[in-house]
Amino acid sequence: AQSVSQHNHHVILSEAASLELGCNYSYGGTVNLFWYVQYPGQHLQLLLKYFSGDPLVKGIKGFEAEFIKSKFSFNLRKPSVQWSDTAEYFCAVIPPRGGYNKLIFGAGTRLAVHP
Amino acid sequence: ETGVTQSPTHLIKTRGQQVTLRCSSQSGHNTVSWYQQALGQGPQFIFQYYREEENGRGNFPPRFSGLQFPNYSSELNVNALELDDSALYLCASSYSANTEAFFGQGTRLTVV
Repeated sequence: AQSVSQHNHHVILSEAASLELGCNYSYGGTVNLFWYVQYPGQHLQLLLKYFSGDPLVKGIKGFEAEFIKSKFSFNLRKPSVQWSDTAEYFCAVIPPRGGYNKLIFGAGTRLAVHP
Repeated sequence: ETGVTQSPTHLIKTRGQQVTLRCSSQSGHNTVSWYQQALGQGPQFIFQYYREEENGRGNFPPRFSGLQFPNYSSELNVNALELDDSALYLCASSYSANTEAFFGQGTRLTVV
C-alpha cells in the first residue's frame, strides 16, 4: 500500500547533539512534502515544506530537510538540538494527482531532548 | 496561534450516540480538512470541504459526514459512535485546496 514511513518512533538525545529523522514515501510521480511538529499541548505546526526547486529546504528553528527523489526520502535534520525541541515530529506527503490538500502522514517520531 | 479554532476541546460520548464537532477556519481560508489522530498514530484524512462542497474523502464510512457554511466554518458529524472512534479530531484550513494547511488544537473525543 502507498504510505509514508518514519523509521524511528522514539528518539532520545542530549542537548547539542545532531538530529536526523528519517522519512520515506512510496508514491511515484510529483509529490509535495512536509514536516510538521507538535509540541506538548499545542497544535500541529509546519516546520518546512518542499514543492519544487532546491532539494535542500530550510525551515523554522534551524531545521532543514533534504529531498532525495531517487531514494523517495525527505529526512529532517538539525545540527544541534535544544531542550525546547522536545516534541513529536510528523512527515507528510500530498500524493500526486491528489487534486486537494489531502495530507498523508507518517506515524510520527517522538523526540525527547535531555539537558 | 494559527487562527483555526475548534470546539469543544474535550468530549465524552457513549457508544451509539451521535456527535458534532466544530471548526472555525482562519480568516480568508475557504478550504477545511478534517483528520482523525488515534493514539500513537499520525493524523488520517477524513474529508475536505472547499467552498461548501465536499472535495475529497478518505477511507472513512458514511457515518462520518460534514458541512461547510458560507463563512467557511465547518462541522464534522459522526453517527452511531463506536469505541474505535475515540481519537483527537483535527481541523485544518487553507487558502485553497492545494496550499499550506493550518491546524487547530483539536477535539479529544472519548467514546465509552
